[in-house]
Amino acid sequence: DIQLTQSPSFLSASVGDRVTITCRASQGISSYLAWYQQKPGKAPKLLIYAASTLQSGVPSRFSGSGSGTEFTLTISSLQPEDFATYCCQQLTSYPYTFGQGTKLEIK
Amino acid sequence: QVQLQESGPGLVKPSETLSLTCTVSGGSVNSGSYYWSWIRQPPGKGLEWIGCIYYSGNTNYKPSLKSRVTISVVTSKNQFSLKLNSVTAADTAVYFCARETILRGVTDGQNYYYMDVWGKGTTVTVSS
Repeated sequence: DIQLTQSPSFLSASVGDRVTITCRASQGISSYLAWYQQKPGKAPKLLIYAASTLQSGVPSRFSGSGSGTEFTLTISSLQPEDFATYCCQQLTSYPYTFGQGTKLEIK
Repeated sequence: QVQLQESGPGLVKPSETLSLTCTVSGGSVNSGSYYWSWIRQPPGKGLEWIGCIYYSGNTNYKPSLKSRVTISVVTSKNQFSLKLNSVTAADTAVYFCARETILRGVTDGQNYYYMDVWGKGTTVTVSS
C-alpha cells in the first residue's frame, strides 16, 4: 500500500495567517492526490483534486501543489471557518489511502 | 444535486455481519462516470478506504478486508451496499458512502479521480 505522511499533525494558527500542510507519499503518485477538510461529526469535504485543481465552490484562498511524492495544501489567509482537520488521499492505485490528518486549531 | 444517505443497524454483535445501504438521490448509480465507495473512520482516527464498485458490478477492495467484504449495487433501487462479515470491536467506526468521480483531463487525456459527494455517515458499534 502507498503510505501518505502529513506534516505537521497539529497546527496552531491565527485568523489571517498563511498556512501550509505537506503530504508525502511513499512512492510516486503523479498528480493523483486529493485534499479534504473535515469538521467534527461531519463528512469530509473535497477541496482539491488532481493535486492542484480547486473543487467548484471552494474559496480561492485554498490551493494545492506538487507531484510525484511531495504535495502541499496552502490556505492563504485563514478564516474562522477553516479551523478543521485536513487530510490527503492518493487515488493512483488500489487500495486508496489517506494521510493521518492535520488538525488546524485556533491560536 | 446528488445526495447520498447511509442506512443500517447502529449496533452489530461480534462475529455477525454488518450490512449498510447507501441510497443515491438526484443522480444515478447506473453511470459510467463514477465509482461508488465505502470509507470508514474509527473513533478518533483517520479515514480508511474499504472498497468501491462500478455500475457494471466490478469491485475493488482493500486487501486486508477483502476476505470479509462484499460491495454490491442495486440499480433498480439506485442503491449500493456494504456487507462486512465476522465483525469485531475493531470494525466499530463511522461508515461513509461516497461518489468517486472519473474526470478525463482536457490537456493530458488522463483520467483523474476524486470523491466529491459524501453521505453524512452512520455510526456502527460492534458490541455484545
